[in-house]
Amino acid sequence: DQQVKQNSPSLSVQEGRISILNCDYTNSMFDYFLWYKKYPAEGPTFLISISSIKDKNEDGRFTVFLNKSAKHLSLHIVPSQPGDSAVYFCAASARSGSRLTFGEGTQLTVNP
Amino acid sequence: NAGVTQTPKFQVLKTGQSMTLQCAQDMNHNSMYWYRQDPGMGLRLIYYSASEGTTDKGEVPNGYNVSRLNKREFSLRLESAAPSQTSVYFCASSEVRYGYTFGSGTRLTVV
Repeated sequence: DQQVKQNSPSLSVQEGRISILNCDYTNSMFDYFLWYKKYPAEGPTFLISISSIKDKNEDGRFTVFLNKSAKHLSLHIVPSQPGDSAVYFCAASARSGSRLTFGEGTQLTVNP
Repeated sequence: NAGVTQTPKFQVLKTGQSMTLQCAQDMNHNSMYWYRQDPGMGLRLIYYSASEGTTDKGEVPNGYNVSRLNKREFSLRLESAAPSQTSVYFCASSEVRYGYTFGSGTRLTVV
């Protein structure tokens, strides 16, 4: 039972354009959502998060949007840079505990 | 540098061999976790420890055991390695609900 799902294994965009990474969830108890970025041979690092009381959170070039009715969130990167090339994991946490449930990840490639 | 340290970084085991993956954090976090990463499967929780002295199973605990040795250290043991346990293993720690810090991973191959 995959409670957090990233349907696109990979995404390729041109430098300077917008990257949009998507994530869907099924568990209505999830109330906090995070995005992690992972470079090869490194552990995932926290990128940005959003609480279910908000529908948007912005940090520099990164914006996360949350649509609770659709159980969908997305990460927008504008403008995309080659250094953004990495695997991006969506994660969610429920009120009942602190454990994070991760999606499968999306490999983003930003071409110069 | 403060953070989560995992050892070893790489390991090759023969089927049936045992080994222990070590993890230590120096951030005084209460909670620690072991995840495995497999292609197309994302990060799946093996075991976690909400606080010193407690451990609980995650999504994929079969074939693994853990020990929370003290507040800093959380080890993962494979008693009899199987090819299906070939994976990249990540340890993480957190204090508050949302902040995970991950180690750099252990790449394990079981032949």
